[in-house]
Amino acid sequence: QVQLVESGGGVVQPGRSLRLSCAASGFSFSSYGMHWVRQAPGKGLEWVALLWYDGSNEFYADSVKGRFTISRDNSKNTLYLQMNSLRAEDTAVYYCARLSSGYSIDYWGQGTLVTVSS
Amino acid sequence: QTVVTQEPSFSVSPGGTVTLTCGLSSGSVSTTYYPSWYQQTPGQAPRTLIYSTNTRSSGVPDRFSGSILGNKAALTITGAQADDESDYYCVLYMGSGISVFGTGTKVTVL
Repeated sequence: QVQLVESGGGVVQPGRSLRLSCAASGFSFSSYGMHWVRQAPGKGLEWVALLWYDGSNEFYADSVKGRFTISRDNSKNTLYLQMNSLRAEDTAVYYCARLSSGYSIDYWGQGTLVTVSS
Repeated sequence: QTVVTQEPSFSVSPGGTVTLTCGLSSGSVSTTYYPSWYQQTPGQAPRTLIYSTNTRSSGVPDRFSGSILGNKAALTITGAQADDESDYYCVLYMGSGISVFGTGTKVTVL
């Protein structure tokens, strides 16, 4: 069955960096695009980034453009989110999710919490 | 900045029907926005219900249906059950790889 497992969350000071990982299994990872979606505490869902199956195209929400980088290693079945210049408003649970038809999502991970605080 | 709007909350009786909508702050929603719908209960990851306007995701019961109603996307729950009490989010694809989540609707079944 499809499994997506995020890791790498934690507490980080403002202005610092953090890299999240998402380990995929149960499907042909190299054939699917992947999203990152986040949810601040008590708030709604926010789309963050999308990467095509082969890494050839990446897209970002305006709120993270220039600070976050989505990437993947298809040999390791792993998706990444490099987060630089972190701000308090980046505090959220970060979900990785598989791209489906019409740019939608069909499978979600359980999420990893990132807290940006001094 | 495009805002995707949803009703903040809805209440429905068990067995009743409720229709949630997903609109744009400027303009009309059509199938070219590939609207999708997600259900989330507190503390859990979201679950995909509907994609590409009206296609149910695998395992989703047929009491959930998607459509375009007027200038908005819509999610209808027919025969609401207690475990349908959740937050519901729509997503619209804006083109150029960009998606935007709606503001979310909290559905109470009572």
